[in-house]
Amino acid sequence: DTAVSQTPKYLVTQMGNDKSIKCEQNLGHDTMYWYKQDSKKFLKIMFSYNNKELIINETVPNRFSPKSPDKAHLNLHINSLELGDSAVYFCASSWAGREDYGYTFGSGTRLTVV
Amino acid sequence: AQSVTQLDSQVPVFEEAPVELRCNYSSSVSVYLFWYVQYPNQGLQLLLKYLSGSTLVKGINGFEAEFNKSQTSFHLRKPSVHISDTAEYFCAVRRTSGSRLTFGEGTQLTVNP
Repeated sequence: DTAVSQTPKYLVTQMGNDKSIKCEQNLGHDTMYWYKQDSKKFLKIMFSYNNKELIINETVPNRFSPKSPDKAHLNLHINSLELGDSAVYFCASSWAGREDYGYTFGSGTRLTVV
Repeated sequence: AQSVTQLDSQVPVFEEAPVELRCNYSSSVSVYLFWYVQYPNQGLQLLLKYLSGSTLVKGINGFEAEFNKSQTSFHLRKPSVHISDTAEYFCAVRRTSGSRLTFGEGTQLTVNP
């Protein structure tokens, strides 16, 4: 009964490959996010969707493409992987209009590009 | 826009010692303040949050934080730490009127025996 679940937990792949990370939440939230955490633990927001609509699209290479089939799911597809894409990717969710709530995070996907 | 500064990137302490992790924020409007903890190889977990009212907020695992509006600070404290408190701690701020959560750069707390 995990609240925000991400798959896979670990992903090791070669440069140039294409990979996807999936996220699902069962909290009934209507907003979902992708964050990238680098080796220094800095958290950088990448994308946010509200009810399947893209609402935040930070300066991220267009090799990264999010997709939200419904408000409970947010996937991240990465084309032509580069060494610099190695990081931990976190999915999070919340309710729009509930700024007092904060976010609920998944346990992360550690991506290693070799 | 709001911003958060965590004043210490690393804080080493001995077990059973008190600890304070410092956080300052900047915003021209009212904000909500949060502390999250990230244990090794895990996601972020909410420790506590300040919304309004009493400036002293108690959270999980014996942590507390004090909101100081005049100093725009929200420092996290624990009177006696355990080895299991070793983790990365993130301060975060969010405007009350609608915005994303903005995180500080994190403070690595290491509790030594």
